[in-house]
Amino acid sequence: SYVLTQPPSVSVAPGKTARITCGGNNIGSKTVHWYQQKPGQAPVLVIYYDSNRPAGIPERFSGSNSGNTATLTISRVEAGDEAGYCCLVWDSSSDHWVFGGGTKLTVL
Amino acid sequence: QVQLVQSGAEVKKPGASVKVSCKASGYTFTSYVMHWVRQAPGQRPEWMGWINAGNGNARYSQKFQGKVTITRDTSASTAYMELSSLRSEDTAVYYCAGSETYYSYFDYWGQGTLVTVSS
Repeated sequence: SYVLTQPPSVSVAPGKTARITCGGNNIGSKTVHWYQQKPGQAPVLVIYYDSNRPAGIPERFSGSNSGNTATLTISRVEAGDEAGYCCLVWDSSSDHWVFGGGTKLTVL
Repeated sequence: QVQLVQSGAEVKKPGASVKVSCKASGYTFTSYVMHWVRQAPGQRPEWMGWINAGNGNARYSQKFQGKVTITRDTSASTAYMELSSLRSEDTAVYYCAGSETYYSYFDYWGQGTLVTVSS
């Protein structure tokens, strides 16, 4: 089965840039979606189809996907960005949805 | 606006079954696919399966095949997820999530339902 690998945690100072990776075999050939989840809340879509932002998501959030790594980039990080971030991919070979393990973003 | 409202927390004994509901509003229920996702404590989310709310066709993750049944009631704009033969490892938060097709991203999420399996 397809496996997505994320770092368990990323720390960044306010105003700096955070990069959260999602690794998978030839993930660049798939489309990646990113979710933000705060404690006790439902996940919120922040990036879809690799690099698109839903309405209401700040321009500070961006995404890219190439080779074996997809990346969620959060520029000018704010305290309110502190949350868990998870990638999601549709694996057409198995007809299954696959989640990454999630990354806890800490704003120092 | 689109809302998915799930039923409340459940406590079940091992071997029992649980049925979680997800009531949709703010869109045409039959035009979307409803997925179910579970997240056990400290674990990554797991996709369990989906149902085409229009025709009722359901598809399950291999891991949950035979253990989960997803249904819907179009008159109530509600999807259901029933999990059988519960074990302590099934203790988790269960989410419903809607998408336009079974292979497109999950637009909307329910608030989650905690299912605790304990003797």
